[in-house]
Amino acid sequence: AQSVSQHNHHVILSEAASLELGCNYSYGGTVNLFWYVQYPGQHLQLLLKYFSGDPLVKGIKGFEAEFIKSKFSFNLRKPSVQWSDTAEYFCAVGGSNDYKLSFGAGTTVTVRA
Amino acid sequence: DGGITQSPKYLFRKEGQNVTLSCEQNLNHDAMYWYRQDPGQGLRLIYYSQIVNDFQKGDIAEGYSVSREKKESFPLTVTSAQKNPTAFYLCASGLWTGLYGYTFGSGTRLTVV
Repeated sequence: AQSVSQHNHHVILSEAASLELGCNYSYGGTVNLFWYVQYPGQHLQLLLKYFSGDPLVKGIKGFEAEFIKSKFSFNLRKPSVQWSDTAEYFCAVGGSNDYKLSFGAGTTVTVRA
Repeated sequence: DGGITQSPKYLFRKEGQNVTLSCEQNLNHDAMYWYRQDPGQGLRLIYYSQIVNDFQKGDIAEGYSVSREKKESFPLTVTSAQKNPTAFYLCASGLWTGLYGYTFGSGTRLTVV
């Protein structure tokens, strides 16, 4: 069974600081990887995804993530956060032949102005 | 606009009652999913359906039931057998391959009183 681990439950940053959220997964095959974001009062939306090719993927709002196969990791980064990045972030993993996504527990990011 | 509509947004249930949460999509997606979101636990899969008239149990199906009579609709019933039903319920849909991730609804918050 696949599982997803997000290392940080709550991260507090000041504006302009850099952000990195860790995500490790356990799965015995080829994976599709996703990061979702849930802004306060809004529904979950896709930030970025990785299927194949360049392991460094860029998403919306200046976010990027790097897939490191040897470490089973898919960490999310943003060089300079804004107050509007305050949200909960979820890492998700699906097998390439699977229809289901497994989600991590989520990381709450609070950006202080 | 295409999307997923969940209703109601808030739902209160007395102990011992069954309640049904609605989920409708107009994205022409084959697959639909129900997740439960609890603080600190991320999203856990309840049921999913890849085609009409077919569905499978997810990781926490006990106390829940679903139907998929139409491609657009995937209602979830929370039965009295569900021991701890108070939670935020999210419906999602996607292509049957799961390749592009999901589109999520805005959720239903169920409270047992």
